[in-house]
Amino acid sequence: DSGVTQTPKHLITATGQRVTLRCSPRSGDLSVYWYQQSLDQGLQFLIQYYNGEERAKGNILERFSAQQFPDLHSELNLSSLELGDSALYFCASSDDGSNQPQHFGDGTRLSIL
Amino acid sequence: ILNVEQSPQSLHVQEGDSTNFTCSFPSSNFYALHWYRWETAKSPEALFVMTLNGDEKKKGRISATLNTKEGYSYLYIKGSQPEDSATYLCAFSHDYKLSFGAGTTVTVRA
Repeated sequence: DSGVTQTPKHLITATGQRVTLRCSPRSGDLSVYWYQQSLDQGLQFLIQYYNGEERAKGNILERFSAQQFPDLHSELNLSSLELGDSALYFCASSDDGSNQPQHFGDGTRLSIL
Repeated sequence: ILNVEQSPQSLHVQEGDSTNFTCSFPSSNFYALHWYRWETAKSPEALFVMTLNGDEKKKGRISATLNTKEGYSYLYIKGSQPEDSATYLCAFSHDYKLSFGAGTTVTVRA
């Protein structure tokens, strides 16, 4: 158990809809990272938050947004969903800094019908 | 997002044999190199974070080396066991981002 909790585990919705994925980091970790793993692709970095502030951005679509709340949990919002957004979305947390290991949650599998 | 390459893509090992595989990354602006093990139906699990050229890390039968000047890292598995079957990911750290390789999938045959 990594200590990182993601909900829901599975999500099925239709094109054009909006969903929110939730992540609670490991106790004491200030950084939260979001990743997307699509079919036949590796883990793609989306965005990182540190102690409530956005710290780094990857190839995140404009239809996607995220935030980290004062209690350090984070949410990833995906809107105007398209079939290609179907993927496994991981959240990870770390103490701080790029030289610290990241602890991954079990992921949310999003299926767009 | 920078190019991180892992080879081979997959390999099969007989139980008890040792094996190794490679991660190549940009040699400029190096900050850290991560290794993760990803078992089927689970989430990635951190193995090592390496920051210094020439660094060697070890965890049980798994070890890793790092050459930041030429931009590569090796992961070694000594005396492979069936429980070592997994995909091994390396990731290059830069600007607070991690760029992952596609992974090397190791299958250990009993």
